[in-house]
Amino acid sequence: SQQGEEDPQALSIQEGENATMNCSYKTSINNLQWYRQNSGRGLVHLILIRSNEREKHSGRLRVTLDTSKKSSSLLITASRAADTASYFCATDGAGGFKTIFGAGTRLFVKA
Amino acid sequence: DGGITQSPKYLFRKEGQNVTLSCEQNLNHDAMYWYRQDPGQGLRLIYYSQIVNDFQKGDIAEGYSVSREKKESFPLTVTSAQKNPTAFYLCASHTRPGEKLFFGSGTQLSVL
Repeated sequence: SQQGEEDPQALSIQEGENATMNCSYKTSINNLQWYRQNSGRGLVHLILIRSNEREKHSGRLRVTLDTSKKSSSLLITASRAADTASYFCATDGAGGFKTIFGAGTRLFVKA
Repeated sequence: DGGITQSPKYLFRKEGQNVTLSCEQNLNHDAMYWYRQDPGQGLRLIYYSQIVNDFQKGDIAEGYSVSREKKESFPLTVTSAQKNPTAFYLCASHTRPGEKLFFGSGTQLSVL
């Protein structure tokens, strides 16, 4: 079962543009996280937002959370070619011991 | 440096063979996880362990087995019962439920 579903599945933009990815989930959560994965590598944690938070920033990343709509968005500003990767949202379930991932958004930033 | 080490990076399995993927962490984390990733897909949970000598099935546990005899180690065995084992396998751990996961660099398993 997948708790989170990302949208779009793939995104291609020019360097310098902003990239927005969305995530929807099905059940109540305590936290929502975003991860990045370069091809053939492990995932790297980007940011965690708790259910009582609405927005969080980290460098060029901005995450929002709308628990009433069960959705989150990840905004990468002023994108760079090095941002090319897959981005996944993840939510906790069953007491947080089962971190469940969505299918991911593949971002391609053209130089 | 603290982290999670997965080995080998590439593994080939012959039909009918069991193979074991290694995952070791020196982060002193209690909880450890195994995920399977198919090309262009998200991560699916195979097994997870909250503490030593305890583990639970995830969403796709059939054809896999695990053990957790030590806090640092959580090996995954892909048995001959797993008919479609070709995938990228990722091990992860974290400090507390719901907190960020730390991932290993993965093992690519292929069938000969």
